[in-house]
Amino acid sequence: RKEVEQDPGPFNVPEGATVAFNCTYSNSASQSFFWYRQDCRKEPKLLMSVYSSGNEDGRFTAQLNRASQYISLLIRDSKLSDSATYLCVVILNTGGFKTIFGAGTRLFVKA
Amino acid sequence: GAVVSQHPSWVICKSGTSVKIECRSLDFQATTMFWYRQFPKQSLMLMATSNEGSKATYEQGVEKDKFLINHASLTLSTLTVTSAHPEDSSFYICSARGRGSEKLFFGSGTQLSVL
Repeated sequence: RKEVEQDPGPFNVPEGATVAFNCTYSNSASQSFFWYRQDCRKEPKLLMSVYSSGNEDGRFTAQLNRASQYISLLIRDSKLSDSATYLCVVILNTGGFKTIFGAGTRLFVKA
Repeated sequence: GAVVSQHPSWVICKSGTSVKIECRSLDFQATTMFWYRQFPKQSLMLMATSNEGSKATYEQGVEKDKFLINHASLTLSTLTVTSAHPEDSSFYICSARGRGSEKLFFGSGTQLSVL
C-alpha cells in the first residue's frame, strides 16, 4: 500500500463547478499535511496547509480527518486557471522530517 | 516565501555527455535538499536527499554513480547526470528545507533532453 494515495483522475469539470479531491495516508505518525499545485512542466507550489479544524482560503477549503487518515481539498466555483495537478503532501517526523508526495490528481476545468 | 533558484531551466545535450544542474537557496540556509525526477504525466519521484556536508542518500533504483549529488554548502546543491542517455530525458526538480522547518521550497525545474 502506498504511503499517500490519491485518485489520479483526471477530473473534467465545467467552469463554476465544485470539485473535491481526496487523499489517504497510511502512517498514523504523520504530522503535517499540505496541498500543492503543479502546472505542466513547472515546480509544485504550496496551495495551502491542512488542519483538523479546516482551512479555507477563498474558493479553496482543506480538511483533515486524523481518525480516518484522510485529507480533502474542495474547490468551489472552478476557474479555467484551476486546471492543474493537485498533490497531497504528508510530513512524517521520524527524528527528522520526511516528506511524502501523493501521485497527484489532475483537474481540467473547461469553459 | 523562501526562494530557491534552479538552473539551467532547460538543456539539450548529446548522448554520453554530462550535465550539471544547480540548486541554490537564495534567502535561507538549506540544511536539506531533495532532487526529484518527473516524467511526462507522472508524479514526482524522489531521487535522493542530501544534507549539507554529508553524502546524499539515494532512493532505491537510483544509481548514485550516474546521478552525482553534491551539497557542499548551506545554499548550494548540484546534480550531475553523468554520461547522459536519451532515457535520462526528464524534468528534474530540486527542493530545499531549512533547519527545523517542515516546509519545502522548490526550484523551477530543469527540462533535460538527451539526443
